[in-house]
Amino acid sequence: EVQLVQSGTEVKKPGESLKISCRGSGYTFDDHWIAWVRQRPGKGLEWMGVIYPGDSDAKYSPSFQGQVTISADKSISAAYLQWSGLKASDTAMYYCARPASGHTSSFDYWGQGTLVTVSS
Amino acid sequence: DIQMTQSPSTLSTSVGDRVTITCRASQNISTWLAWYQQKPGKAPNLLIYKASKLESGVPSRFSGSGSGTEFTLTISNLQPDDFATYYCQQYDSSSPTFGQGTKVEVK
Repeated sequence: EVQLVQSGTEVKKPGESLKISCRGSGYTFDDHWIAWVRQRPGKGLEWMGVIYPGDSDAKYSPSFQGQVTISADKSISAAYLQWSGLKASDTAMYYCARPASGHTSSFDYWGQGTLVTVSS
Repeated sequence: DIQMTQSPSTLSTSVGDRVTITCRASQNISTWLAWYQQKPGKAPNLLIYKASKLESGVPSRFSGSGSGTEFTLTISNLQPDDFATYYCQQYDSSSPTFGQGTKVEVK
């Protein structure tokens, strides 16, 4: 059974750094892209970027380029989303999701989400 | 970015009704369109991909149609479990984008 399991809820202050994770199981992690999707409170879904764990090739939405870093460690089947200086506007639920094929596709499996709250 | 516009934003309806949600793309996306259902506090769930293909395990009362710039999701014989928010997503471009969502609520 394919599963994406994300790290837990985070509460941070503005300016702090953060790295959240997404671990895949039940499939060959190296062979599938993993995307990150943001959902601000009460709002819709925003594609942030995607990474291929096999070679760590990452692609970003123009809206998120330079704001976050997406990385992966194929040895432990994990993908990461990282901030170096959080802002209150980064408060959101963050989902990892697996594109069904290629790097741009429908998303057939999703993690349970990681809630990030940034507040002073 | 390709803009995706859903209508309506909210749909008040009843069990047993036929529901239609529309999604329009700002440019031609062929049939590179997916539909998701999301319930409060849960991750989205894929219903339809490539505009009309039903994802495995999804009830047959869900169907999708359209191509180019206009698409529809239809739920026939709405069930209590179907009250949720629905999103369309295009994946024609290298930066996938979602519609703003349609909330299907109890009338």
